[in-house]
Amino acid sequence: DSGVTQTPKHLITATGQRVTLRCSPRSGDLSVYWYQQSLDQGLQFLIQYYNGEERAKGNILERFSAQQFPDLHSELNLSSLELGDSALYFCASSVVGGGREAFFGQGTRLTVV
Amino acid sequence: TQLLEQSPQFLSIQEGENLTVYCNSSSVFSSLQWYRQEPGEGPVLLVTVVTGGEVKKLKRLTFQFGDARKDSSLHITAAQPGDTGLYLCAGAVGDSSYKLIFGSGTRLLVRP
Repeated sequence: DSGVTQTPKHLITATGQRVTLRCSPRSGDLSVYWYQQSLDQGLQFLIQYYNGEERAKGNILERFSAQQFPDLHSELNLSSLELGDSALYFCASSVVGGGREAFFGQGTRLTVV
Repeated sequence: TQLLEQSPQFLSIQEGENLTVYCNSSSVFSSLQWYRQEPGEGPVLLVTVVTGGEVKKLKRLTFQFGDARKDSSLHITAAQPGDTGLYLCAGAVGDSSYKLIFGSGTRLLVRP
């Protein structure tokens, strides 16, 4: 158990809909990362938050947005969903500084039909 | 754009064989991590290397960080079926606002 909690574990929704994925980081971790992993692909970095502020951005679509709340949990919002958005979405957390290792949640499997 | 290239992409070997996986980039990383991911699960951290030339051992796994901190290798001795999985390297770029860039992964199958 990495200590990172993601909900829901599975999500099936229709094209055009909007969903929210939730992540609770490990206790004490200030940084949260979101990654997308399509079938048999590597991890694509979407966005990073540190203590409530956006710190780094990757290849995140304009239809996607995220935020980190004062209690440090984070949400990834995906809107106007397309079939190609079907993927595993991972959240990871870390303590900035030190080894900078990231600890991953178990992911949310999103299926857009 | 920082890119991490992993090779080989796929590797199928017999139990007991040795193997090496490579992670290369033209960028310098402040640290590099190796993760292992099993189907349907999140990546699990194996090791972090920070210093150029650093070598770390984890049982049958040996990790090395290149002198210039641009590349790394993972060597597995006497592979076992339990080593099967997706191996990912990730480089940390930046300082206070850093991000982790992942390689595309090496999918390893160890046949009994």
